[in-house]
Amino acid sequence: AQTVTQSQPEMSVQEAETVTLSCTYDTSESDYYLFWYKQPPSRQMILVIRQEAYKQQNATENRFSVNFQKAAKSFSLKISDSQLGDAAMYFCAYRSAEGAQKLVFGQGTRLTINP
Amino acid sequence: NAGVMQNPRHLVRRRGQEARLRCSPMKGHSHVYWYRQLPEEGLKFMVYLQKENIIDESGMPKERFSAEFPKEGPSILRIQQVVRGDSAAYFCASSPPNFRQGPYNEQFFGPGTRLTVL
Repeated sequence: AQTVTQSQPEMSVQEAETVTLSCTYDTSESDYYLFWYKQPPSRQMILVIRQEAYKQQNATENRFSVNFQKAAKSFSLKISDSQLGDAAMYFCAYRSAEGAQKLVFGQGTRLTINP
Repeated sequence: NAGVMQNPRHLVRRRGQEARLRCSPMKGHSHVYWYRQLPEEGLKFMVYLQKENIIDESGMPKERFSAEFPKEGPSILRIQQVVRGDSAAYFCASSPPNFRQGPYNEQFFGPGTRLTVL
């Protein structure tokens, strides 16, 4: 079974600075998708960024980018120019490309933005 | 196009009562997923349904929990004889039919139902 691990329960960063959230995963599959979700205090799950395992190029969405290291099974999220609205829980998630459609989530990292 | 809708948003039950959580997927979506989030934890998959079919229930507790997605109407997650350990946020997500899925088969999440068992 696949597992996702986020080793940083909490992180904090100064507004306008850059922060990196870590995520590692375990799988025997070669094709899969990885996601980062944001959960603000409203609890709504918001998709931030996604990565296809067969693509070597790291995904980027505005201030959000990932560092995908397939051999190391690592998928970190970098947030540049942090803003107060970025404060939230961030969850890393895994989904198989074939078969099981379920998302497997990590435990989450609570990100605080200091003004 | 309305997003995924869940109701109620908050539900309080006493131990031994039944809880019914409803999920209306996005228009045109025929796949529904239920996840549970315990306090200070990530979401855990419970069940994956298509219209009138349970596709994957590997995350469902063996007793007291059931789910359905009828041909008409919302998907229902039913918890019988609730216990304090059932207190959690329950999220529903939906995705489009297979023939319309892109490479990501993105799941769109509802706002969740927070269940409190007294």
